[in-house]
Amino acid sequence: DSGVTQTPKHLITATGQRVTLRCSPRSGDLSVYWYQQSLDQGLQFLIQYYNGEERAKGNILERFSAQQFPDLHSELNLSSLELGDSALYFCASSDGSGANVLTFGAGSRLTVL
Amino acid sequence: DQQVKQNSPSLSVQEGRISILNCDYTNSMFDYFLWYKKYPAEGPTFLISISSIKDKNEDGRFTVFLNKSAKHLSLHIVPSQPGDSAVYFCAASDLGYGQNFVFGPGTRLSVLP
Repeated sequence: DSGVTQTPKHLITATGQRVTLRCSPRSGDLSVYWYQQSLDQGLQFLIQYYNGEERAKGNILERFSAQQFPDLHSELNLSSLELGDSALYFCASSDGSGANVLTFGAGSRLTVL
Repeated sequence: DQQVKQNSPSLSVQEGRISILNCDYTNSMFDYFLWYKKYPAEGPTFLISISSIKDKNEDGRFTVFLNKSAKHLSLHIVPSQPGDSAVYFCAASDLGYGQNFVFGPGTRLSVLP
């Protein structure tokens, strides 16, 4: 158990729908990152939050949004879903200071039919 | 535009021999590098890191070498064990800019008994 909790583990939905993925970071970590891994692809950085504020943005589609709440958990909202959004979505956390390590959750597998 | 490249999608090695996984980067601002290992249905787990002020870092069977002039790093696993069979991701970060970790596409290592 890495200490980073992601829910749900699996999600199957239809095109055009909206889903929310949730992440609770490791205790003490202030920074949360979201990554997308499509089939046999690498980890594509989506967005990073630090203590509630957006810190960096990657290749995140306009249909996707995220936020980090005062209790430091984060949610990734995916809307108007398309078949190509089917992927593993990973959340990772770090303490956000200096040279440190990302700790990943087990991921949420989204299947869009 | 891939800033972190792992040009070998897969690698097979005999148990007990050395595994060498390679990674190249293009952004000269990267100054902190990590290797992650990922098993199926799990999140990536941290393996070893190196900062740009060093050219080598060892942790047990794992050694990472950094060649800044060539913008190249490698992970050596000696001796390789069947349990090392996994996908290995190289990641790089510019510590001065938002701790955004950029991941390579991964190399699938198979250690044959």
